[in-house]
Amino acid sequence: AQRVTQPEKLLSVFKGAPVELKCNYSYSGSPELFWYVQYSRQRLQLLLRHISRESIKGFTADLNKGETSFHLKKPFAQEEDSAMYYCALSGGGSYIPTFGRGTSLIVHP
Amino acid sequence: DAGVIQSPRHEVTEMGQEVTLRCKPISGHNSLFWYRQTMMRGLELLIYFNNNVPIDDSGMPEDRFSAKMPNASFSTLKIQPSEPRDSAVYFCASSLGSLVHEQFFGPGTRLTVL
Repeated sequence: AQRVTQPEKLLSVFKGAPVELKCNYSYSGSPELFWYVQYSRQRLQLLLRHISRESIKGFTADLNKGETSFHLKKPFAQEEDSAMYYCALSGGGSYIPTFGRGTSLIVHP
Repeated sequence: DAGVIQSPRHEVTEMGQEVTLRCKPISGHNSLFWYRQTMMRGLELLIYFNNNVPIDDSGMPEDRFSAKMPNASFSTLKIQPSEPRDSAVYFCASSLGSLVHEQFFGPGTRLTVL
């Protein structure tokens, strides 16, 4: 069974501070991992995926298979980063992704 | 493409009434998902269709919930009878499946059951 854990329901930081949203997963095979973001009153959208190894809006996430983690990081948070962030896992040939419960990030001015 | 389209965007109804939520997936996508989002539980998968066929409905909370996908461009989620605890935002998402697992979400329907 696949599982995604986001241990923090809420993360509050000040503008300019580093931010790390934690995501741990449980999956026996080779997972495909994603971060989705939902800004206030907007639809959920893909932020980044691990296979792309890209930085989007200053965010990066590295898949650590040893620790089974896919934490989302940004060195300097901005107020516009305030949103709900969901980590998701898709495994093998399964079309059904598993989402974490989400972490609400609030960046204070 | 306008992306995934959902209607209505907001629905307020009274307990016991029937509610029907609608979704039009992105043209060409063969997988469709219905999710429910609440503060308490986050994002929950209700049901998943592949090529218009329901594959996994284990997330559907009760028999009061039903979903259909009569063709590749339309799906409905029905709640009958509705209850106050059904109040949530309901999202529809579609994906190409197979090689690409990225999901494209609709704007959601905010349901309030009084």
